[in-house]
Amino acid sequence: SQKIEQNSEALNIQEGKTATLTCNYTNYSPAYLQWYRQDPGRGPVFLLLIRENEKEKRKERLKVTFDTTLKQSLFHITASQPADSATYLCALGGHASGGSYIPTFGRGTSLIVHP
Amino acid sequence: EPEVTQTPSHQVTQMGQEVILRCVPISNHLYFYWYRQILGQKVEFLVSFYNNEISEKSEIFDDQFSVERPDGSNFTLKIRSTKLEDSAMYFCASSPDRADYTEAFFGQGTRLTVV
Repeated sequence: SQKIEQNSEALNIQEGKTATLTCNYTNYSPAYLQWYRQDPGRGPVFLLLIRENEKEKRKERLKVTFDTTLKQSLFHITASQPADSATYLCALGGHASGGSYIPTFGRGTSLIVHP
Repeated sequence: EPEVTQTPSHQVTQMGQEVILRCVPISNHLYFYWYRQILGQKVEFLVSFYNNEISEKSEIFDDQFSVERPDGSNFTLKIRSTKLEDSAMYFCASSPDRADYTEAFFGQGTRLTVV
């Protein structure tokens, strides 16, 4: 069955550094991948969407890469700030024509940015 | 900024009782979703709703669950006879288009506690 793996250990970094979070998947060929931010006790907030034919997407301090050969996405936050501290979720979805387009979520990785 | 609203924020119910969780999606959105998140675990898809009918559902969404869009604004999730393992955070989400084209906007969730 398909598996989405995100590092369960929290990532601790210093303010100003670049945070890099990883999302690996197996037994799956997603059509797209999304990244969400989730704060404790709150709903996920969408950040970026990248499709299978795209290698990289940027939005302000955020950058996402998508390597379908390695079956991996990297999520970067540059010039990180304590306000970036949250859990980051990756979600993958398939082709609507081939089955479900609904995104399946990973467990998320907690990011802690220290001042 | 438009947002998805969910009520109540917290619901405590006795095992075996029926509960209805309510959501008001963003007004011009066409796709509606329910997800749940058991404490400390990943966000899990329950059901999607489009054009006044269920478009997809997961294995979790068994006969105990039902969804309705009783009017032009509300979207409800009913659990007929709650079990202890139904205790979770339930998130409603909506999107203007299919999830493979655009982001989903999540509400703040209803924390359901079954005792």
